[in-house]
Amino acid sequence: KAGVTQTPRYLIKTRGQQVTLSCSPISGHRSVSWYQQTPGQGLQFLFEYFSETQRNKGNFPGRFSGRQFSNSRSEMNVSTLELGDSALYLCASSQSGVGTDTQYFGPGTRLTVL
Amino acid sequence: GNSVTQMEGPVTLSEEAFLTINCTYTATGYPSLFWYVQYPGEGLQLLLKATKADDKGSNKGFEATYRKETTSFHLEKGSVQVSDSAVYFCALSEVSGGSNYKLTFGKGTLLTVNP
Repeated sequence: KAGVTQTPRYLIKTRGQQVTLSCSPISGHRSVSWYQQTPGQGLQFLFEYFSETQRNKGNFPGRFSGRQFSNSRSEMNVSTLELGDSALYLCASSQSGVGTDTQYFGPGTRLTVL
Repeated sequence: GNSVTQMEGPVTLSEEAFLTINCTYTATGYPSLFWYVQYPGEGLQLLLKATKADDKGSNKGFEATYRKETTSFHLEKGSVQVSDSAVYFCALSEVSGGSNYKLTFGKGTLLTVNP
């Protein structure tokens, strides 16, 4: 099976712009989660989707949003970018998202905000 | 809320040395526990997991045992190789409750193995 894919792999944006990142889960996986990784804060949970419904959301401002499509593919959007949004954004998929499930991670999208 | 505490790194070892990376957790319910590894420029890969107390996860010579009494999930390997150089993350996931559907990670431990 193909793994989790994320596009694009690298992005450079300027402050105030918006950005959309895409994630394709492993075939058959219905849960998609997003995480932000920075050197200072480590890995932080953004949100999780299952069957197009957001089930859990982390402590991030409303500028961070996401959605999931009927084929389980997911996108996250960040509006009005700030310098502090520079990070590696990781997407993970699992079959159901429950605690015993293994989450499989993609390679990430490296976002740089100038 | 939930939290995971890992030993601070970096950890530098010689090839064939014994490795221990400590991990303790705080959780309101009965979490599943995971170790993930991240190689430079890559995403996270699952190394091993345990879903209930006294379970031992193992993979590629790495082991960790879910100790509920000490709320710990320490990672061990008897003989490290240069190729084990990476960042290791301990994580937990609640099975139910408000923290469901997400992983809570430790800050990561950078391991460097010298030949």
